[in-house]
Amino acid sequence: AQTVTQSQPEMSVQEAETVTLSCTYDTSENNYYLFWYKQPPSRQMILVIRQEAYKQQNATENRFSVNFQKAAKSFSLKISDSQLGDTAMYFCAFMKHSSAGKSTFGDGTTLTVKP
Amino acid sequence: GAVVSQHPSRVICKSGTSVKIECRSLDFQATTMFWYRQFPKQSLMLMATSNEGSKATYEQGVEKDKFLINHASLTLSTLTVTSAHPEDSSFYICSARDLGDPGQDNSPLHFGNGTRLTVT
Repeated sequence: AQTVTQSQPEMSVQEAETVTLSCTYDTSENNYYLFWYKQPPSRQMILVIRQEAYKQQNATENRFSVNFQKAAKSFSLKISDSQLGDTAMYFCAFMKHSSAGKSTFGDGTTLTVKP
Repeated sequence: GAVVSQHPSRVICKSGTSVKIECRSLDFQATTMFWYRQFPKQSLMLMATSNEGSKATYEQGVEKDKFLINHASLTLSTLTVTSAHPEDSSFYICSARDLGDPGQDNSPLHFGNGTRLTVT
């Protein structure tokens, strides 16, 4: 069984600053995917970024990037130039390769961007 | 992009009645859908995996007679909370993955917008 751990229940950052959210996981699988999802106050879950475990290059999506350390089983999310709209709960998620979608979620980190 | 529609977004019902929540994949076929329950400021708790044309797979501790799941078509799964009680009040979310595109093995889950159930 997989486990996903987010050790920061709450974080805050000033607008325009950079913040990093941590995520570690445990698995015996070799092929898998990792995701960061965002849940704003509207509670609609939205994909932020994804990473394939077989890729060494860290994924980036505009202001969002990850630091994927496969050996350490670490998958942190960096948000640059934070914006007020980034205020949300962020979930790290693990999915096995060729899965129908069953995922393991972390407990979430509530991020508040302050003006 | 793939869209999952969930209805209703909000429902209030009296204790002892049943409530049905629908989850539809609008532009893709979903042989598998997932139902979650979420308490405020907590993570998503997987309740069950809905399988088109067959029985749902329930997670440990989830009463299958209480939370009835039907997945009769490739685009629709329903969750019925039977004989609802105040402790069933919660936020329910569905999700599905679009597996139709061969180049999208890394496709993420697409989520409905959730249903806030209040049982009085």
